[in-house]
Amino acid sequence: EIVLTQSPGTLSLSPGERATLSCRASQSVTGSYLGWYHQKSGQAPRLLIYGASSRATGIPDRFTGSGSGTDFTLTIARLEPEDFAVYYCQQYGSSPWTFGQGTKVEIK
Amino acid sequence: DVQLVESGGGVVRPGGSLRLSCAASGFTFGNYGMSWVRQVPGKGLEWVSAINWNSGNLGYADSVKGRFTISRDDGKNSLYLQMNSLRAEDTALYYCARKGAALDYWGQGTLVTVSS
Repeated sequence: EIVLTQSPGTLSLSPGERATLSCRASQSVTGSYLGWYHQKSGQAPRLLIYGASSRATGIPDRFTGSGSGTDFTLTIARLEPEDFAVYYCQQYGSSPWTFGQGTKVEIK
Repeated sequence: DVQLVESGGGVVRPGGSLRLSCAASGFTFGNYGMSWVRQVPGKGLEWVSAINWNSGNLGYADSVKGRFTISRDDGKNSLYLQMNSLRAEDTALYYCARKGAALDYWGQGTLVTVSS
């Protein structure tokens, strides 16, 4: 099983600032099948990035995914108020699929 | 619009069974893989199971293997999760999700509580 470790656990930033979230895999993620999701309180998760670097439908270009192998990054260029949420990475290249434990992006 | 609506959750005793359903609309259901993901309230996401478009490839988390069975009925545009031998640690909100490029659409979830 591929274990995904996200860091930091919590990121305290102000609107307009840049956020950098990390997701490290215990072994190489097959085909860069790595996704990023965010989840606001009381809502279902929403897909932001798939294939490590492709934006999902309707996702603004301030969200950028990068990385390959075992190290992946989600960058939010300028935080908007609606971006404060919990972010999860997920690998879907090898069964069992797995999620990271999440990074909470909170308002400073 | 793509819609996924889960149902079938409820309160069940340890050792009991429950069958979750997910009704899909707004897309050609038979062309997509589907998945179940669960979340203990206030905690992170846990992948549970997935099924590909033709039911030829099924996957399960180790925590549910041998107890849960995923299936689909393309004629009814529906996904199912048969859950047997339920344990307290299976208590969670269960989401169904469409497997497009990744898990690109999610339902709002159905709550399963395993308690005596």
